Amino acid sequence: NAGVTQTPKFRILKIGQSMTLQCTQDMNHNYMYWYRQDPGMGLKLIYYSVGAGITDKGEVPNGYNVSRSTTEDFPLRLELAAPSQTSVYFCASSYSSRGFVADTQYFGPGTRLTVL
Amino acid sequence: KQEVTQIPAALSVPEGENLVLNCSFTDSAIYNLQWFRQDPGKGLTSLLLIQSSQREQTSGRLNASLDKSSGRSTLYIAASQPGDSATYLCAAEGSGATNKLIFGTGTLLAVQP
Repeated sequence: NAGVTQTPKFRILKIGQSMTLQCTQDMNHNYMYWYRQDPGMGLKLIYYSVGAGITDKGEVPNGYNVSRSTTEDFPLRLELAAPSQTSVYFCASSYSSRGFVADTQYFGPGTRLTVL
Repeated sequence: KQEVTQIPAALSVPEGENLVLNCSFTDSAIYNLQWFRQDPGKGLTSLLLIQSSQREQTSGRLNASLDKSSGRSTLYIAASQPGDSATYLCAAEGSGATNKLIFGTGTLLAVQP
């Protein structure tokens, strides 16, 4: 299993540009997440999904959009890039069946995004 | 609102020393408490997960404890090695949330050979 894969690894955007960060998992996990990590800070949840077709906002959703058309893919869309979105973005997935299975999250290697 | 704090922010120890990393959380109504390791430029790797009904978990040289009443968790690393050098993050999952993890800011550990 490749686990959680993310593309691209690095990207530089100009203010106002848009882009999509890709995330794919091959573990048949039902839950998927997007986090951002700013320097010296912990991770903050942007959006999450509990299954195909179902998404919900996390702590810091403004400026982002997501979709979940398949179990495997969970892309994150930035429509109008701003310098405040300069960060490292992590995608994660887990299998969750509350009360039965430990909800360990598996993380991708991250995408380092700079907005100039 | 759940807040997670990790102290110290950075720690440097000589090889072979036993050490403890601390994690505090403000809301004791958690589903579980997780410890992760992050190497520079890499993603997070899960180390230990403690369910709310458990008091501790062990994996090799690592032992994590959970005291919900005091809002504290500790990660004990025995006989530290240079390869243990990394950032260690704890995260609390709220019992009312849907697998939403609230992360601390991490402790940067350096083990000197």
